[in-house]
Amino acid sequence: EDKVVQSPLSLVVHEGDTVTLNCSYEVTNFRSLLWYKQEKKAPTFLFMLTSSGIEKKSGRLSSILDKKELFSILNITATQTGDSAVYLCVKNTNAGKSTFGDGTTLTVKP
Amino acid sequence: EPEVTQTPSHQVTQMGQEVILRCVPISNHLYFYWYRQILGQKVEFLVSFYNNEISEKSEIFDDQFSVERPDGSNFTLKIRSTKLEDSAMYFCATLTGGSYNEQFFGPGTRLTVL
Repeated sequence: EDKVVQSPLSLVVHEGDTVTLNCSYEVTNFRSLLWYKQEKKAPTFLFMLTSSGIEKKSGRLSSILDKKELFSILNITATQTGDSAVYLCVKNTNAGKSTFGDGTTLTVKP
Repeated sequence: EPEVTQTPSHQVTQMGQEVILRCVPISNHLYFYWYRQILGQKVEFLVSFYNNEISEKSEIFDDQFSVERPDGSNFTLKIRSTKLEDSAMYFCATLTGGSYNEQFFGPGTRLTVL
């Protein structure tokens, strides 16, 4: 069975801190690795990664994929209370199947 | 900015009834997905759809479920005979073709089976 493992499962930080969220996956039929932010509604797209070693950035968020070691990280610098959410890591296969991790619940305290 | 839309936002039905959940994908997106999220649990993949046919489906997507694009724009998920355990948030998502750069979720339909 395809597995996506995220760590930590939860994290509490203070505003201004930098956080690193981890995601490991199984190599079977890999096409892309996606990161989403989910608050009390639908997931919001953050990044899609297909190539190893190429960092994607959007403001204070960045992400990178290591296809050799089968993991990805999501970095958030200078965290704000609005970053509090569940961050989802998703692996998509060539055939079109998606496998979700359990998510990392990030709480940013003022 | 284009977005995925879903209707209805909330559907309440009796066990054993059929429901149809509707999604309007972003135009020019080629890949479509249905996911569900039971309250307090993680998002689960149901089915992916490309070129008017199912690409992949999960174990959850049994004979009670079906998908179609009835008119080339809407993308529907039908549950033939709902069960209590079908109560969940159902999300439609669409993916750009070509470079596969972005995948967007719709706002979801909350299905409550009584």
